[in-house]
Amino acid sequence: GAVVSQHPSRVICKSGTSVKIECRSLDFQATTMFWYRQFPKQSLMLMATSNEGSKATYEQGVEKDKFLINHASLTLSTLTVTSAHPEDSSFYICSARVRTVTGSQETQYFGPGTRLLVL
Amino acid sequence: KQEVTQIPAALSVPEGENLVLNCSFTDSAIYNLQWFRQDPGKGLTSLLLIQSSQREQTSGRLNASLDKSSGRSTLYIAASQPGDSATYLCAVQYNFNKFYFGSGTKLNVKP
Repeated sequence: GAVVSQHPSRVICKSGTSVKIECRSLDFQATTMFWYRQFPKQSLMLMATSNEGSKATYEQGVEKDKFLINHASLTLSTLTVTSAHPEDSSFYICSARVRTVTGSQETQYFGPGTRLLVL
Repeated sequence: KQEVTQIPAALSVPEGENLVLNCSFTDSAIYNLQWFRQDPGKGLTSLLLIQSSQREQTSGRLNASLDKSSGRSTLYIAASQPGDSATYLCAVQYNFNKFYFGSGTKLNVKP
């Protein structure tokens, strides 16, 4: 099946610094990638939808100036948490949507996640 | 507002037992419903995908059912094994994009 990777898998940073998380589709082209956030004992919540070559669409309540998303190619999307604070500590998961050859079905594949801890 | 609820939040069973995980959703106009498995600190593994026109899907010891009219889905695990221990997430899609996730059922299968 299709593989989505994330880097880094775990990051610890000081409050006020910026952190970049990469999401890559390894063996397919993803026109759309999605970024989710999961706080402890809570559901995954969609943060933003990222289309290659265009601006990301953010969900209500997600600050676009704080969570910068760049989808520069069909295999790479990045999420930058700017001026991170302890409340940004969470598990960030990306997913990538792949279109089948016939174009009749679209499936999302999820990355392994990045655990961010802001001290 | 679309909401997805999973019951129970946690479940502990002895090895070999059959079990059922429940998922309910408020808006029945779904595109599809998917069950995932999440191991601690890991990403999601897709287990079963049920299209809106389908009633159930089976894969090995897993069977998922979908009743759109009542807004419910169940995941049946037969002959549970310790390796099945994980958090099981139900997710509903209403279009190509957004998944609405439940908060999960944490399953512990005791040897």
